[in-house]
Amino acid sequence: QKEVEQNSGPLSVPEGAIASLNCTYSDRGSQSFFWYRQYSGKSPELIMFIYSNGDKEDGRFTAQLNKASQYVSLLIRDSQPSDSATYLCAVSRNTGNQFYFGTGTSLTVIP
Amino acid sequence: EAQVTQNPRYLITVTGKKLTVTCSQNMNHEYMSWYRQDPGLGLRQIYYSMNVEVTDKGDVPEGYKVSRKEKRNFPLILESPSPNQTSLYFCASKLLAGGPGTNEQFFGPGTRLTVL
Repeated sequence: QKEVEQNSGPLSVPEGAIASLNCTYSDRGSQSFFWYRQYSGKSPELIMFIYSNGDKEDGRFTAQLNKASQYVSLLIRDSQPSDSATYLCAVSRNTGNQFYFGTGTSLTVIP
Repeated sequence: EAQVTQNPRYLITVTGKKLTVTCSQNMNHEYMSWYRQDPGLGLRQIYYSMNVEVTDKGDVPEGYKVSRKEKRNFPLILESPSPNQTSLYFCASKLLAGGPGTNEQFFGPGTRLTVL
């Protein structure tokens, strides 16, 4: 069983719509959860982190964590063509030093 | 400018020829890490270091060595590269976590390695 699983997509949404990206993880000891964005040919960049159950909002982005269901999601409101990228979910355990990444979900926002 | 640099950015080599990929950061971060990224497998952690002279294995350490003699540098060494080590490699750094993860990992630009 993989540590972190994501639907690889591709996911296509029209401009202005809400994009919903999902991630599940296998280790209940995971404590920190991250969403990275990776444009083609570029390095990952952090969008959001979350470590408490519930929602965390930052601008157009909302991360949602449900530890009971071992589920993390990222919502992108008012999607823009510039949001077209691969989104990587990552988790770390209580040491905060080992990280496990999902394979990423490819998002395309259609103008 | 705060950044993580990697060299070389592109490398084509042959099986068995030792190589080193350098990584350097100017943010005074204690933590540094190496990842490889392969299609369908995502980013996988190779090694990480929490400080000078402290290194630990990640998920896929076989065939790799690292050293941390200085805080800013964390080279990745392939003593005898093989074709299955053909991959895109990323170095990353961050402040050392003191609690449940508020620390952002900053990634270098990547090194694309091809082993023939």
